[in-house]
Amino acid sequence: QKEVEQNSGPLSVPEGAIASLNCTYSDRGSQSFFWYRQYSGKSPELIMFIYSNGDKEDGRFTAQLNKASQYVSLLIRDSQPSDSATYLCAVSNQGGKLIFGQGTELSVKP
Amino acid sequence: EAGVAQSPRYKIIEKRQSVAFWCNPISGHATLYWYQQILGQGPKLLIQFQNNGVVDDSQLPKDRFSAERLKGVDSTLKIQPAKLEDSAVYLCASSLLIAETGELFFGEGSRLTVL
Repeated sequence: QKEVEQNSGPLSVPEGAIASLNCTYSDRGSQSFFWYRQYSGKSPELIMFIYSNGDKEDGRFTAQLNKASQYVSLLIRDSQPSDSATYLCAVSNQGGKLIFGQGTELSVKP
Repeated sequence: EAGVAQSPRYKIIEKRQSVAFWCNPISGHATLYWYQQILGQGPKLLIQFQNNGVVDDSQLPKDRFSAERLKGVDSTLKIQPAKLEDSAVYLCASSLLIAETGELFFGEGSRLTVL
């Protein structure tokens, strides 16, 4: 079992729709959860982080965490073509070790 | 503020040759990471330094890979001898307080092709 699992996609949504990206993790001791965005040929950049169960909103992005189900998700509202990228879920333990999933490729069609 | 610097950006070598990558983190960042990203996959942690000490190197293939961080600043990652499966982008990242914010600042990466 992989430590962090994501659907590899590609996920295709029309412009203006909601994109939903999902991630599960295996280590119940994980403390912090992150979403990074990676454009083709570029390095990852942090979008959001979440520590507590529930929702966290930042502009068009909402991160959701359910520790009991070991599940974290990212919703992108009003998706734009510029959101087309690979989205990486990452999980951190107390030692600060950050483990990434394989990424979900998102394509937003105009 | 200057970002994470990496060099070289691109390197092509033949199998069994050696290669070295260099990383200069953001000033003041105590934690430095080397990740390997194979095309179509997520980054895989190779080694994590806190200042000049190793925190985690459980995924580093120690028979061929080595890394050091002298004086707690710059770091080098070496591969010797290289194998075909080492073809990847090697990402260096640094952070202040990983446990609190999780924001790693990545360099542009060093793309290795092993022929």
